[in-house]
Amino acid sequence: EAEVAQSPRYKITEKSQAVAFWCDPISGHATLYWYRQILGQGPELLVQFQDESVVDDSQLPKDRFSAERLKGVDSTLKIQPAELGDSAMYLCASSSGQATLNTEAFFGQGTRLTVV
Amino acid sequence: AQTVTQSQPEMSVQEAETVTLSCTYDTSESDYYLFWYKQPPSRQMILVIRQEAYKQQNATENRFSVNFQKAAKSFSLKISDSQLGDAAMYFCVKEGGSEKLVFGKGTKLTVNP
Repeated sequence: EAEVAQSPRYKITEKSQAVAFWCDPISGHATLYWYRQILGQGPELLVQFQDESVVDDSQLPKDRFSAERLKGVDSTLKIQPAELGDSAMYLCASSSGQATLNTEAFFGQGTRLTVV
Repeated sequence: AQTVTQSQPEMSVQEAETVTLSCTYDTSESDYYLFWYKQPPSRQMILVIRQEAYKQQNATENRFSVNFQKAAKSFSLKISDSQLGDAAMYFCVKEGGSEKLVFGKGTKLTVNP
């Protein structure tokens, strides 16, 4: 069964260092999401792509976060420099992108980031 | 901004009993999707059930059913015959324009044997 792949599963980094996360969506899915989930809370959208274009990055802290999906397939989320408050689970999800069809989003297992 | 409110941070249910999780949302749209997602401990989020706003009939998936009240902007999840494997965080999610997903803060469900 097709899955959303994320790596790494866990990452520990020091404050002020750079860190990057990778996501490979389900094949053929045009929409890709990056969410941040603080322990015990609901996911909050950081950025949404439709193919290679950013649809919504209004909640992305652009002074330190960047995201790209250059060929409209896999995506990378980068944080530079990392801060203690960035410790969270980073979830990637994808959906078909067809508004008239099944809009179920499929989630990866996430990357748990700890900033020390 | 669109909001989704889950007023029950935690709920518990006895195995084999029925439990209902509440959700309300805010929207000005007439057509949208609503979902309940389940996030088991240390496992990935999976879809439990979905509801299309233009459909009046409440969605049902085996032991899971919803009570969708469009005018009241309410979307509750009922779990019948609760099982130990139902223990998880449950998120109410609204999908609006451009497939943007808005999550509630979640309800942690504990199933007692």
